[in-house]
Amino acid sequence: AQKVTQAQTEISVVEKEDVTLDCVYETRDTTYYLFWYKQPPSGELVFLIRRNSFDEQNEISGRYSWNFQKSTSSFNFTITASQVVDSAVYFCALSEAEGGSNYKLTFGKGTLLTVNP
Amino acid sequence: DTGVSQDPRHKITKRGQNVTFRCDPISEHNRLYWYRQTLGQGPEFLTYFQNEAQLEKSRLLSDRFSAERPKGSFSTLEIQRTEQGDSAMYLCASRRVDTGELFFGEGSRLTVL
Repeated sequence: AQKVTQAQTEISVVEKEDVTLDCVYETRDTTYYLFWYKQPPSGELVFLIRRNSFDEQNEISGRYSWNFQKSTSSFNFTITASQVVDSAVYFCALSEAEGGSNYKLTFGKGTLLTVNP
Repeated sequence: DTGVSQDPRHKITKRGQNVTFRCDPISEHNRLYWYRQTLGQGPEFLTYFQNEAQLEKSRLLSDRFSAERPKGSFSTLEIQRTEQGDSAMYLCASRRVDTGELFFGEGSRLTVL
């Protein structure tokens, strides 16, 4: 069975601080996808990134960066120079990739990030 | 607005009543997913469709739940004889085939009194 663990329930930082959200996953699949989603107070889940299990390159997008380490089954997310608008719940998710992939996502419980001015 | 649309956004009902939620996916997306999210938890997979075919159902989807996607366009999720434990946010998502991005709607929040 697949499992995603986000050990940090809540994180509070002051604006401009860097913050890392941890994600550890479990799967028996050799091919899978990892995702991060942002859920602001409005409730809509916003897609941030998808990463294939064969691609262990770290990725940077503006102030966001992701560190995928297959050896430790982790897919951590760092926000650099955080801003108040980054305040949201962040979810890490894992999907099977049978053939064309079915995208039946298993989500973690989420980390509530509060960025204070 | 060309995103995933869900209706109603909020439904309050009494225990034992039936409710139906509608999801209109992004038009060119052939896969449609339903998830349920309870307070303080991540979304949980319920079921998904490829075009009009329902390909998989979670064990969370008891026989009181039924989902359809006639003609492979919009989808409905019906809950019969609602129970207080059904109170949750019901999320619909559709998938863009080429990039694999899963786009979520804003959800339909159900409160069962």
